[in-house]
Amino acid sequence: GQQVMQIPQYQHVQEGEDFTTYCNSSTTLSNIQWYKQRPGGHPVFLIQLVKSGEVKKQKRLTFQFGEAKKNSSLHITATQTTDVGTYFCAGLAGNQFYFGTGTSLTVIP
Amino acid sequence: EAGVTQSPTHLIKTRGQQATLRCSPISGHTSVYWYQQALGLGLQFLLWYDEGEERNRGNFPPRFSGRQFPNYSSELNVNALELEDSALYLCASSLSRRVAFFGQGTRLTVV
Repeated sequence: GQQVMQIPQYQHVQEGEDFTTYCNSSTTLSNIQWYKQRPGGHPVFLIQLVKSGEVKKQKRLTFQFGEAKKNSSLHITATQTTDVGTYFCAGLAGNQFYFGTGTSLTVIP
Repeated sequence: EAGVTQSPTHLIKTRGQQATLRCSPISGHTSVYWYQQALGLGLQFLLWYDEGEERNRGNFPPRFSGRQFPNYSSELNVNALELEDSALYLCASSLSRRVAFFGQGTRLTVV
């Protein structure tokens, strides 16, 4: 069945270091979305990518959608303590969202 | 515009009891998704409702069920509660399978 895997599962970085999480799907996706869940909170929508090879930026965050529309990445430049949380990707395949397993980011001051 | 609302915020039940969780989607959204998030874990897909019908369900036993009402709100029912059912239950709504917006969740504790 459809699966969306994310790596790494956990990541600890020093404040100021960069961070990347990768999302891989077993099938082609119609689009991919990224969400952030702060500790104790609920997932909040960050961005949606639709086109093959698409790259979008939000300040220090860079999102990419693979050429084959099967993978995606989120890169954070110069992490800050406010970046702490779990980042989920969600791919749309068929008519359903498939959420990745999430990457939990800890930023050490 | 109101976001996705879930009630109750917290729910404590005894093993063997039934729990009912409610979700009101964003106005105009016809799809409702339910997810279970156990402590420290990812989102496990439970159910998807669209236009009043169950479209898909995750790998959960039949004691997890739900429905969607004509106004697109939804209920998740969990029968014969087990200790392992303790988790955050998240509801999300979307329109035409575009962006999913999440509610704050219901924290279910089974004792």
